[in-house]
Amino acid sequence: GEDVEQSLFLSVREGDSSVINCTYTDSSSTYLYWYKQEPGAGLQLLTYIFSNMDMKQDQRLTVLLNKKDKHLSLRIADTQTGDSAIYFCAEFSRSNDYKLSFGAGTTVTVRA
Amino acid sequence: GAVVSQHPSRVICKSGTSVKIECRSLDFQATTMFWYRQFPKQSLMLMATSNEGSKATYEQGVEKDKFLINHASLTLSTLTVTSAHPEDSSFYICSARDFGHGTDTQYFGPGTRLTVL
Repeated sequence: GEDVEQSLFLSVREGDSSVINCTYTDSSSTYLYWYKQEPGAGLQLLTYIFSNMDMKQDQRLTVLLNKKDKHLSLRIADTQTGDSAIYFCAEFSRSNDYKLSFGAGTTVTVRA
Repeated sequence: GAVVSQHPSRVICKSGTSVKIECRSLDFQATTMFWYRQFPKQSLMLMATSNEGSKATYEQGVEKDKFLINHASLTLSTLTVTSAHPEDSSFYICSARDFGHGTDTQYFGPGTRLTVL
């Protein structure tokens, strides 16, 4: 099966780092993604990581992948008010016919 | 990143009418597009996979005669909600798969808010 789980809420102070965690079950996952959704909008691809990588950094974003534990995290450095949104973790595996499996989304609230 | 557009962004219609939503990949060709539905404060629910030049593949529980999908070109897929009813009111989001040149990524459109009165 393809189960992706995330914590539902995260509150962080402006300027601090945010860490959003995600676990998945499909060991044949080839890509793992982080999407951001602002109110009333579609999903914006933030970053993705190949399953054979441990870490990927892109400006303020750092993705860590622990394939053994099937654990994915997204760290946002120097969190800003514009980072307030829902963040979705998603996995892609060919065993799922090229379909993405999404987590429930983590609502990140940045407080001043 | 790649850009996917949807039109219209918002539509209000009367019960019993049909509504067509367009999804376009603007700067890449997409042999595969996906249609999702999202309820308030929930994750995305995949409705169907749209393949260029062939019939769409619908997820279990999604009525193919109600949600007609056409993927006539490599940059356009349409979703028609036929004989819409208030329970069809939702946020519909499409995505387009960009595959090849070292990537396999879905890019999402901005969504269409459908309200059926």
